[in-house]
Amino acid sequence: GGIITQTPKFLIGQEGQKLTLKCQQNFNHDTMYWYRQDSGKGLRLIYYSITENDLQKGDLSEGYDASREKKSSFSLTVTSAQKNEMAVFLCASSERTGGSAETLYFGSGTRLTVL
Amino acid sequence: QQQVRQSPQSLTVWEGETAILNCSYENSAFDYFPWYQQFPGEGPALLISILSVSDKKEDGRFTIFFNKREKKLSLHIADSQPGDSATYFCAASANTNKVVFGTGTRLQVLP
Repeated sequence: GGIITQTPKFLIGQEGQKLTLKCQQNFNHDTMYWYRQDSGKGLRLIYYSITENDLQKGDLSEGYDASREKKSSFSLTVTSAQKNEMAVFLCASSERTGGSAETLYFGSGTRLTVL
Repeated sequence: QQQVRQSPQSLTVWEGETAILNCSYENSAFDYFPWYQQFPGEGPALLISILSVSDKKEDGRFTIFFNKREKKLSLHIADSQPGDSATYFCAASANTNKVVFGTGTRLQVLP
């Protein structure tokens, strides 16, 4: 088995601040994802990456940057934190590239609060 | 535009009852429908899934019923246990890496 490790678990930022969230996986999976979870809105895809140095935009990419410098790691940057923003950011990975029947393995999330 | 819809938003049942969680979708290209279970403080984890070529999938107390013509599916949890209390997400994908999630159903099972 493997594990997805997200750091930090809790992140408190100030309005306008640039904030970086990190994710590591030891599954040796090709594809990694960043989702945002808001209460009542489910999970929305921000970015995903099918291999090292690849980036694909999801439905919610505006206001975020991502980086996949190694197969095992995928980072997400909030370019300018919005006041009173509260959300959970979930990192996930899946084994193969392409195909629909993929199982996503999630980390436990980074909880962001912006003051 | 919500491509995958879930109802109800929250559901309370008594221990031993069958909980029924509903899901509908819009995109006819979706062919894979996983259900994820999420406990507080954790990430979602795959519970059970179905391909669009099937109309039913069972795994222990968990059963998916799928109606392709109506673009609807449901998750039935038989003999519900307090440990089943969690948020359940219906999701869908086509032949891409993009998995679309519904807004979730929060299930509470009372002892």
